[in-house]
Amino acid sequence: AQTVTQSQPEMSVQEAETVTLSCTYDTSESDYYLFWYKQPPSRQMILVIRQEAYKQQNATENRFSVNFQKAAKSFSLKISDSQLGDAAMYFCAYRSRSSGTYKYIFGTGTRLKVLA
Amino acid sequence: GAGVSQTPSNKVTEKGKYVELRCDPISGHTALYWYRQSLGQGPEFLIYFQGTGAADDSGLPNDRFFAVRPEGSVSTLKIQRTERGDSAVYLCASSYHLGEQFFGPGTRLTVL
Repeated sequence: AQTVTQSQPEMSVQEAETVTLSCTYDTSESDYYLFWYKQPPSRQMILVIRQEAYKQQNATENRFSVNFQKAAKSFSLKISDSQLGDAAMYFCAYRSRSSGTYKYIFGTGTRLKVLA
Repeated sequence: GAGVSQTPSNKVTEKGKYVELRCDPISGHTALYWYRQSLGQGPEFLIYFQGTGAADDSGLPNDRFFAVRPEGSVSTLKIQRTERGDSAVYLCASSYHLGEQFFGPGTRLTVL
């Protein structure tokens, strides 16, 4: 079975600085998606960035980028120029692309605090 | 267009009662998912519908939990004989076929 691990329960970053959130996962599959979701206090899960495992190039979305290391099964999120609005819970998630099940498997989350 | 909506936003019930949680997916989305998020945890998969049928219900914790999607749109998650351990946020998501899942704001269920 696949698992997702986020080992940082909480992280803090100064406004305008850069922070990296860690995520590791375990799978025997070769074809899958990885995601980072943001969950503010409103509870709404918002997709931040997505990576397809077959793509070697790291995904980037404006201030958000990932470091995808497939062999190491690592998928970290880098937030540049942090803003107060980035404060939220961040969840790493895995989804198989080939096994016929389309559920997301989430980590336990990292709470990001942004300090003014 | 409108996103995924869930009602009620909050539900407080007593141990042993029956509850229904509703999810309205994005119009045209064929797939619908239910997840449960306990305090301090990430969402955990419960069940997934493709159209009207449950394609994967492997995450339902026991037979007190049941979900339906009779017309392939709105879905209802039903919990019988609620227990305090059922207290959580129940999230619904929908997708067009097997694409990106869009999440609703969740229903916070509190069982006293």
